[in-house]
Formats: sequence, C-alpha cells, structure tokens
Amino acid sequence: GQQLNQSPQSMFIQEGEDVSMNCTSSSIFNTWLWYKQEPGEGPVLLIALYKAGELTSNGRLTAQFGITRKDSFLNISASIPSDVGIYFCAGRQGGATNKLIFGTGTLLAVQP
Amino acid sequence: DSGVTQTPKHLITATGQRVTLRCSPRSGDLSVYWYQQSLDQGLQFLIQYYNGEERAKGNILERFSAQQFPDLHSELNLSSLELGDSALYFCASSVPGRDYNEQFFGPGTRLTVL
Repeated sequence: GQQLNQSPQSMFIQEGEDVSMNCTSSSIFNTWLWYKQEPGEGPVLLIALYKAGELTSNGRLTAQFGITRKDSFLNISASIPSDVGIYFCAGRQGGATNKLIFGTGTLLAVQP
Repeated sequence: DSGVTQTPKHLITATGQRVTLRCSPRSGDLSVYWYQQSLDQGLQFLIQYYNGEERAKGNILERFSAQQFPDLHSELNLSSLELGDSALYFCASSVPGRDYNEQFFGPGTRLTVL
C-alpha cells in the first residue's frame, strides 16, 4: 500500500529540546493532517492544514503545509515527557474520496 | 476520547474463521472509514461509507466487507482469516463541511489470528 515518506524515523531527545519532522510525497495533496499515536490507542488528530503555505499552531505544536503541496512539516517546541509517541502525517488528495494516505511515522522519545 | 467507539478491543481467533468488528461514529458524523495498521504496511485505508452508502474503496481484500447501518454505526466483516490478517483495525469518522477532512479515530480492535 501507499505510504508517505516521513523523517526522521525516530528521535531520542532531552526534555526541553525542540523537535522537527517532515513528510514528503511525489504527489500533490490538498489537505495535510498530523496525528499522534500512543501505545494501544488510536491516532489523535493534532493539526489540520488546508492551504499551501499555511502555518498553523496548536499549543507547542506548529505545522506547515508546503508550498509545493508535496510536503508538510511539524515542529514541537520545548518538548516534555508526555510528547512521547509516534507522530504520523496524513494527506488527502481530493476528489470524491476522503481517504487519507499516512506517513511511515516518527517515533519520539523524550528523556526527562 | 475522540467520541468514536469500537468493539471489541481485542479479538483472538483461528485461521479460517470469520469475525465482525463494530464501530460507532461520533454523534453527528455521517462518514465512517476503516483502516488497517500492521508493522509492515503501516496505516492503510480500507473502505469509506457515507450515510449508509459505500463511498470509496482502498486496499480491502475480497474476503473483507463492510456496511453502515441506518443508525450510522458500521461493521467490518473479515472472513477466511489468515495469519497475515493479524493487525490493528481502526475506525474513523468525520462530518461534511470544512471538517470533512478531519477524521477522528477510535481506539481500535487488535485482531490476532492463530
């Protein structure tokens, strides 16, 4: 199945550090979403982006919809232990279907 | 809590068997989506229903089928199960309008086929 390229694959950081991750595709998307998944749980929606160039924040999280519409970025500032989890990007290409294509995920570990 | 509920939480069964996974969307959501999450394939879209009608199909095997009932809950039926069907199955829901693209996921059903 199709998956978007996400990097880095994993990150091990100290509490208080800033984090950046990105998602790239060879196809154009008209919506980018970022989700966080914790063990044994479903993905939780963090941020939704609808326009190329859009920059949206949710607390310490900031995400951007790439100008080319083929990529998106997520930044987490001043990380805390509860940021631990797997972060997924997801894109929607449009048309009649609303299906999401997910990225490969970025595992984030935060050491207190 | 996303408001999407899924039952059961865990399911253990044998090869060749048939199981049914159930999903109740958030109140007011008309669309239901099913996704499969496995270690090798990641999160993959299976099928979408909108107000009782099938809207889109993804990588769904012929052995799998789904439906959405008048009360908008949905069921995913998996038959002739194989070892490779072991995975997490998620249901998500959304409403039309600006939030149409924002899908909210349930806690999932972990299926283990022995």
